[in-house]
Amino acid sequence: DGGITQSPKYLFRKEGQNVTLSCEQNLNHDAMYWYRQDPGQGLRLIYYSQIVNDFQKGDIAEGYSVSREKKESFPLTVTSAQKNPTAFYLCASSTPGRPYEQYFGPGTRLTVT
Amino acid sequence: DQQVKQNSPSLSVQEGRISILNCDYTNSMFDYFLWYKKYPAEGPTFLISISSIKDKNEDGRFTVFLNKSAKHLSLHIVPSQPGDSAVYFCAASATYSGSARQLTFGSGTQLTVLP
Repeated sequence: DGGITQSPKYLFRKEGQNVTLSCEQNLNHDAMYWYRQDPGQGLRLIYYSQIVNDFQKGDIAEGYSVSREKKESFPLTVTSAQKNPTAFYLCASSTPGRPYEQYFGPGTRLTVT
Repeated sequence: DQQVKQNSPSLSVQEGRISILNCDYTNSMFDYFLWYKKYPAEGPTFLISISSIKDKNEDGRFTVFLNKSAKHLSLHIVPSQPGDSAVYFCAASATYSGSARQLTFGSGTQLTVLP
């Protein structure tokens, strides 16, 4: 069953700690993305990656870091430098044949107190 | 600066009637538009898309209309069903080199279909 998995579904951290969100896909997609959703707002792009070992900043990359060591995996680290880290984080992927149609994972709700 | 706007945060429609969700954009470089549907605590799912070279695309009960001169698109759902109740996001993309496409999303419209 192909898809995107994100774990965990809910994550709680203390302020000042770095936290890494997992994203794995078995769709054989080249491109992967990380978005953030805040209440009443649309999704905003944090980082994206077109191929392994390559990634670019999106609109709100400050305070975040990513890696793309494997095609299937695109973990996102929320660092202590991110001023408002509490949010719903969504990972997505797309295939070169249909790059506009991004497939999303179920999301991770991060709460930092 | 919001490049994609959904000015109606919510919409209620009776079951069986037409639902019309609207979206406006400002960036004339956008050449592809999509609608996503999202249930609470889940990721969005792709619904329907339209290229800027077309003005209409239909898929079953869902039709998307694009008016480039007005920089406006709309999603029509006919007939509306209670299972259609969800948040609908409009998204747009500009041509970009490489295999990835940056999507710009609107803030979403909560559709409630009343039985």
